Amino acid sequence: DGGITQSPKYLFRKEGQNVTLSCEQNLNHDAMYWYRQDPGQGLRLIYYSQIVNDFQKGDIAEGYSVSREKKESFPLTVTSAQKNPTAFYLCASADLDIQYFGAGTRLSVL
Amino acid sequence: SQQGEEDPQALSIQEGENATMNCSYKTSINNLQWYRQNSGRGLVHLILIRSNEREKHSGRLRVTLDTSKKSSSLLITASRAADTASYFCATGFTGANSKLTFGKGITLSVRP
Repeated sequence: DGGITQSPKYLFRKEGQNVTLSCEQNLNHDAMYWYRQDPGQGLRLIYYSQIVNDFQKGDIAEGYSVSREKKESFPLTVTSAQKNPTAFYLCASADLDIQYFGAGTRLSVL
Repeated sequence: SQQGEEDPQALSIQEGENATMNCSYKTSINNLQWYRQNSGRGLVHLILIRSNEREKHSGRLRVTLDTSKKSSSLLITASRAADTASYFCATGFTGANSKLTFGKGITLSVRP
């Protein structure tokens, strides 16, 4: 069953806590992306990676960090520096120009 | 920064009618894509049109691109209740460091 798997589906963060969102793909894609979506809004790019061990900041990288140690995995950490983390987070991988998305993780603050 | 701006923001039509959605963008692009998002889910790619193409079809979808006006339209013919979703246009460039810039989306409601 090929695709992008995001986990968990729902996540709650306490004040001052770092949380990590998982994104795994078995599509053998080199490029992977993290987006944030707020209600009624489009997608805003947080970080992206074109190849293993390399990644670039997107438009709203502050308060987030990523790693790309394996081709299949691109985890996103929402740090305590992100003061407004409540949002829907989407991970994608790309085959040339087309992006394939996971089902998302909804992050809320307790 | 959001490059694409969709119009209208919301559209409500009767099943069987056609739905037309528009997207305008600001800077030069290499390709423009349309994606669909069902409520609370990830996005699904619908169709891609390159800057040297003017029109493309895929099933009930027709997309046009006018690079001189920096605009695109997506037509869904003979709409169904199952077409109810949000639709996003995304613009990008092919090649190294390629990434897409998404608009805010259009909410389409198809009444049975």
